[in-house]
Amino acid sequence: SQKIEQNSEALNIQEGKTATLTCNYTNYSPAYLQWYRQDPGRGPVFLLLIRENEKEKRKERLKVTFDTTLKQSLFHITASQPADSATYLCALVTNDYKLSFGAGTTVTVRA
Amino acid sequence: DTAVSQTPKYLVTQMGNDKSIKCEQNLGHDTMYWYKQDSKKFLKIMFSYNNKELIINETVPNRFSPKSPDKAHLNLHINSLELGDSAVYFCASSHGTGGINSPLHFGNGTRLTVT
Repeated sequence: SQKIEQNSEALNIQEGKTATLTCNYTNYSPAYLQWYRQDPGRGPVFLLLIRENEKEKRKERLKVTFDTTLKQSLFHITASQPADSATYLCALVTNDYKLSFGAGTTVTVRA
Repeated sequence: DTAVSQTPKYLVTQMGNDKSIKCEQNLGHDTMYWYKQDSKKFLKIMFSYNNKELIINETVPNRFSPKSPDKAHLNLHINSLELGDSAVYFCASSHGTGGINSPLHFGNGTRLTVT
């Protein structure tokens, strides 16, 4: 069965730096991969969707890449701000058409 | 004007009780979901309904029974609650099925504590 691994549980960075989060998956490549943000006590909020034929997607200070050869997606937050502190989840469709989530990476941006 | 709302936000109950969590969405979506987030923060899908029809039914105990009276509502009823049921339960909705190329919109969760 498909496994989704986000490389680290926690990432601490200085304000203004770029945070890079990794999402790796096993087995087959999904047609779509999504990234969500979750704040404490709240539900996940959708950020970006990238398709398998797209190498890169951007939204404001966020950038997502998708490498089907490496079976990996990278999520970048450039010029990070303390307000970016949250848990970031990647999600992809498994072979039974369910959207499955990684465990998430908690980002803390220090002022 | 909340898009996906679930009630209650907190639910504390004793083992063996039966409880329900309600969910409503005003986004006009035709698919709704229940996810469970455990203490390790893993979000796992439990059920999915499309236009009131059950389309995903994960391996969850029979004590959990979803009910969709219409496509804007998806409730979760839990019988004979156990300690291991303690978790945060999230309702979500999306266009189409499976959230494949359509993002999910989540409620803010119901924190269930079984004592």
